[in-house]
Amino acid sequence: DAMVIQNPRYQVTQFGKPVTLSCSQTLNHNVMYWYQQKSSQAPKLLFHYYDKDFNNEADTPDNFQSRRPNTSFCFLDIRSPGLGDAAMYLCATSSLGQKNIQYFGAGTRLSVL
Amino acid sequence: GENVEQHPSTLSVQEGDSAVIKCTYSDSASNYFPWYKQELGKRPQLIIDIRSNVGEKKDQRIAVTLNKTAKHFSLHITETQPEDSAVYFCAAGGGADGLTFGKGTHLIIQP
Repeated sequence: DAMVIQNPRYQVTQFGKPVTLSCSQTLNHNVMYWYQQKSSQAPKLLFHYYDKDFNNEADTPDNFQSRRPNTSFCFLDIRSPGLGDAAMYLCATSSLGQKNIQYFGAGTRLSVL
Repeated sequence: GENVEQHPSTLSVQEGDSAVIKCTYSDSASNYFPWYKQELGKRPQLIIDIRSNVGEKKDQRIAVTLNKTAKHFSLHITETQPEDSAVYFCAAGGGADGLTFGKGTHLIIQP
């Protein structure tokens, strides 16, 4: 059973058209992460939420925003996607009580036309 | 911030032989070191992890060693099988912060 669910699996958007990616979890974990993974590269952390506290990585572009309305859901908003934002976006969760092990979703592959 | 270096980028071994992948990290505050296996188009799957208070951990054919003083850790796969072919990522982190990943190793098992 999927515990970290990302929707949609594939997303196509147009250059400059805002897009939102969704992540939900059934694990009740207090930490949720968004990673960007470009082809043949390692996942790169964009930001994470520790409960409602938002933590942005220093080099994450302002074009990327996130919302976490409740424990189960976290959204990644790309305000004005550029061609360079085409990538796989991975959501992950962890619980400090489980020693920081991160559980990844299947990812959303974003294409920008 | 943390910086993780991973070598080699590609590793080809004969089926049944052992494979070793090495990583170094820079932040002495990191205390959690997982290894992920990622098959093409799929999510990273945690295969083994180690914490800074442990020097070695083994799970069947997979083992990880950690040298905290030298800030390096290694993945060892013995008796490799075709299904071991994948990209393997090491990572380093601590607390609630996210992980910093190495650039990955493409492991190829030759029949």
